Amino acid sequence: NAGVTQTPKFQVLKTGQSMTLQCAQDMNHNSMYWYRQDPGMGLRLIYYSASEGTTDKGEVPNGYNVSRLNKREFSLRLESAAPSQTSVYFCASSEGADLNQPQHFGDGTRLSIL
Amino acid sequence: DAKTTQPNSMESNEEEPVHLPCNHSTISGTDYIHWYRQLPSQGPEYVIHGLTSNVNNRMASLAIAEDRKSSTLILHRATLRDAAVYYCILRPDQTGANNLFFGTGTRLTVIP
Repeated sequence: NAGVTQTPKFQVLKTGQSMTLQCAQDMNHNSMYWYRQDPGMGLRLIYYSASEGTTDKGEVPNGYNVSRLNKREFSLRLESAAPSQTSVYFCASSEGADLNQPQHFGDGTRLSIL
Repeated sequence: DAKTTQPNSMESNEEEPVHLPCNHSTISGTDYIHWYRQLPSQGPEYVIHGLTSNVNNRMASLAIAEDRKSSTLILHRATLRDAAVYYCILRPDQTGANNLFFGTGTRLTVIP
């Protein structure tokens, strides 16, 4: 069972470059999420998609865009990377909009911006 | 969103029970209490959740105070694999957004 798969696992960018982080889940989940985690801090929600065809901003959306490509895939795009976006990015999914369904996380993408 | 307070760190000996506390004095009547943990270099992992009654599953038990202002995650027999950061999260019972608000959690060290 792959669960939630994130690619790439590591990436180094220069300031101003663009990049798309990919996320795919094989659990037929309706809802998907992107979080970032900075050193010494908990996760913060960037964007989420409650269901296919919808996306909404989370706590820290500035500098990011998302695309819910289909039910399986939810991508996160940095249009012009900044050093402040150096972080570990986690994608998650859950069965649906019921808030008490567990979220399943990928293992993260470690992104460094020089 | 209601906030939670957890100790920054705790230690436990291997094979002993661990009680991880969480205070949530501003919890509302419809907030569920969720626990996740994050092992080193991995994404968070769901552990357990509850509303009012104590809950048990294969990973842990959740004891909720009668006034719901605090809860305790209980690992019955700590193993080295349980060394992780444990997050206590409150989630309102609303449809629509299904986002988790993580704090800084409790870092559990398991001593062999």
